[in-house]
Amino acid sequence: DGGITQSPKYLFRKEGQNVTLSCEQNLNHDAMYWYRQDPGQGLRLIYYSQIVNDFQKGDIAEGYSVSREKKESFPLTVTSAQKNPTAFYLCASSPLGESAFFGQGTRLTVV
Amino acid sequence: GQNIDQPTEMTATEGAIVQINCTYQTSGFNGLFWYQQHAGEAPTFLSYNVLDGLEEKGRFSSFLSRSKGYSYLLLKELQMKDSASYLCAGGGFQKLVFGTGTRLLVSP
Repeated sequence: DGGITQSPKYLFRKEGQNVTLSCEQNLNHDAMYWYRQDPGQGLRLIYYSQIVNDFQKGDIAEGYSVSREKKESFPLTVTSAQKNPTAFYLCASSPLGESAFFGQGTRLTVV
Repeated sequence: GQNIDQPTEMTATEGAIVQINCTYQTSGFNGLFWYQQHAGEAPTFLSYNVLDGLEEKGRFSSFLSRSKGYSYLLLKELQMKDSASYLCAGGGFQKLVFGTGTRLLVSP
């Protein structure tokens, strides 16, 4: 079945550690996005990519990094520079200019 | 800028009609999207307006006025399961930007 898959669903990280969140899609979508959502808040854009080997910073890119080596994959690394990483992370993909489809999300907790 | 504004919270009763407004001040958006998000879950797509006017899809309708930077989502015959957050998002050929969402509580 076609879709967008995020893993893991729950992730715990010690302070000072980097962690990578996986996002894979088999919808042949050009665009992929990473959003962060805090409790009771909306979605804030971290990074987005429209094409392989190219990506742009969103509104809250500091402390995060991404790569887009393959069309299907857009992993997000939360680095130790991100001071408040505990949040719900959502990956999405879309054809350019069309509606986005979301993965089920990864809930990251710093312990 | 790319500000998207929505009311924070709304309440309504089962069977009623509710309108959730969204205003935006931006260039570069070629359309307005509406998503539904239940607590702890990912958003799901509801509607997309690229032209001015009303788009109807079952109990849900969405309206767009590009000249006024205004959209609304209309929910008819409300059901308890419609209690969720409703997110307005501006989409362009570059990125998709979300408002903070409107939390709708449907009571019996």
